[in-house]
Amino acid sequence: NAGVTQTPKFRVLKTGQSMTLLCAQDMNHEYMYWYRQDPGMGLRLIHYSVGEGTTAKGEVPDGYNVSRLKKQNFLLGLESAAPSQTSVYFCASSYVNEQFFGPGTRLTVL
Amino acid sequence: SQQGEEDPQALSIQEGENATMNCSYKTSINNLQWYRQNSGRGLVHLILIRSNEREKHSGRLRVTLDTSKKSSSLLITASRAADTASYFCATLSRLGANNLFFGTGTRLTVIP
Repeated sequence: NAGVTQTPKFRVLKTGQSMTLLCAQDMNHEYMYWYRQDPGMGLRLIHYSVGEGTTAKGEVPDGYNVSRLKKQNFLLGLESAAPSQTSVYFCASSYVNEQFFGPGTRLTVL
Repeated sequence: SQQGEEDPQALSIQEGENATMNCSYKTSINNLQWYRQNSGRGLVHLILIRSNEREKHSGRLRVTLDTSKKSSSLLITASRAADTASYFCATLSRLGANNLFFGTGTRLTVIP
């Protein structure tokens, strides 16, 4: 099992550009999450999903959109990137309590 | 905020010594989890302690929970260089759906 995978690993964008981060899990988990991690701030929840076809806002959803068309995939979109979105993005999935994390995507917005 | 807060922010010890990290939280909980993050990697679940448990062990890890003080501690015994990482506590978020609030973490450095 690959666990949770994220694509891409690194990306540099210019302000105003758009992109989609892909998260995939092969553990048949219902719950999936997108976090961002910034220095000294821990992890902050952007959006989450409790099952295929459902999404909900987390702590810091502004500027991001998500979709969960298939149970195993959770996409995070930035429609118009801003320098404030420079961060490391982590996807996670869970069945009950324990969350399983992907390796992260390091995004820089110039 | 429901967020857990770890203390200290950074800890540096010699290999073989014990490392203790503390976590405080603000609201009542059903359980508390500890995660480890190696530099540049995703978080890895270490241990979960339920609100009706006071202590739990897993290998060289010992976790305690004091619900009256809203605090938890993580003890790593006989530390190794490979234990160098950031450690986070996490509690269930008011958002529900198994969402977790993570603290800001303790950065542990174990010197060989």
